[in-house]
Amino acid sequence: QQKVQQSPESLSVPEGGMASLNCTSSDRNFQYFWWYRQHSGEGPKALMSIFSDGDKKEGRFTAHLNKASLHVSLHIRDSQPSDSALYFCAVSENSNNRIFFGDGTQLVVKP
Amino acid sequence: EAAVTQSPRSKVAVTGGKVTLSCHQTNNHDYMYWYRQDTGHGLRLIHYSYVADSTEKGDIPDGYKASRPSQENFSLILELASLSQTAVYFCASSGTGKDTQYFGPGTRLLVL
Repeated sequence: QQKVQQSPESLSVPEGGMASLNCTSSDRNFQYFWWYRQHSGEGPKALMSIFSDGDKKEGRFTAHLNKASLHVSLHIRDSQPSDSALYFCAVSENSNNRIFFGDGTQLVVKP
Repeated sequence: EAAVTQSPRSKVAVTGGKVTLSCHQTNNHDYMYWYRQDTGHGLRLIHYSYVADSTEKGDIPDGYKASRPSQENFSLILELASLSQTAVYFCASSGTGKDTQYFGPGTRLLVL
């Protein structure tokens, strides 16, 4: 059973626009959330982590976590063509020693 | 930033042959992982390790073996490569099981 569901599968936004990515986990034990980004031909790289309810902002990127609904989102404002990549949501729980990844959202930012 | 290297970066193997993929990290991390990624899809965990000389099965371990001879090195072994094992393989490391993972650049494996 997939631990993490991401939506949409793919997303296209114009340069300068806002991109919104969603992630929902299936297990209430998951307490730790990450967003990873993978550019074509490279390994994934952690973008940001969020462990508490509410918003976390890093530059143009804002993550929002709602543990009650097991939902985390990532919002990218002023999207740039360099933001075009595959974005993964990842979750973990206290008692586990691994991270579970979603299947990813493919983001394309068109100039 | 944490450094994880993989070798080879690409490999062509024949069906039924043995393939060994290597991973080296210089981050002093206890945890290391092997993932498989099929074109345009997510990451699937094959094996992982949290201490030298010990490995654990992930979600898709069948057809793969792993070896962790030291804290820095983690290998993935395909004893009898099959066509279905054509994929990109990523190694990663982290300080603990709940920490951010640092990925290598990947190994592109083609089995013919």
